[in-house]
Amino acid sequence: RKEVEQDPGPFNVPEGATVAFNCTYSNSASQSFFWYRQDCRKEPKLLMSVYSSGNEDGRFTAQLNRASQYISLLIRDSKLSDSATYLCVVSFYTGGFKTIFGAGTRLFVKA
Amino acid sequence: DGGITQSPKYLFRKEGQNVTLSCEQNLNHDAMYWYRQDPGQGLRLIYYSQIVNDFQKGDIAEGYSVSREKKESFPLTVTSAQKNPTAFYLCASRDRGEKLFFGSGTQLSVL
Repeated sequence: RKEVEQDPGPFNVPEGATVAFNCTYSNSASQSFFWYRQDCRKEPKLLMSVYSSGNEDGRFTAQLNRASQYISLLIRDSKLSDSATYLCVVSFYTGGFKTIFGAGTRLFVKA
Repeated sequence: DGGITQSPKYLFRKEGQNVTLSCEQNLNHDAMYWYRQDPGQGLRLIYYSQIVNDFQKGDIAEGYSVSREKKESFPLTVTSAQKNPTAFYLCASRDRGEKLFFGSGTQLSVL
């Protein structure tokens, strides 16, 4: 079983739509959780951290469920510029902080 | 300007040749990471280092080597033992909040 699993998509949505991505992780000792965004042939960039209490940044909402080992990202009012790959990221301590990326979920927002 | 610099942007390797990818950071981060990304795939961890003179194997370390003689520098050598080296290589450093900051990547291809 992969340490971090995501639905690869692609998700094709119209502008203005709401879209949700899910991610599961296998290591129950995982301590930190993030969503990164990656544009084609570019480096990943941090979108937001994920907390158990849930957190929101504008149109983006992230949620963590430790009991189910599940992370989600909700994007409201999708823009064309949201088209990218969204990477779920989990860190855990194993003699050093090991940071593992999911394979990513591809999003296409259409006009 | 603080950040991570990877060089070169493009690199070509001949059969049986070792090549070294450079990664330098001036963010004063202790931890640094190397990832490999294949087309349409997620990031896979090659090596990581929590502190100078210490590093640990990631999930796909075979055929690669690293050194960490200085805090600012974490070079990756792709050895001739790596039979399928063509990929996009990303270097990152981690801040105390466990967020990763990436360089712009090196595309390695085999001649």
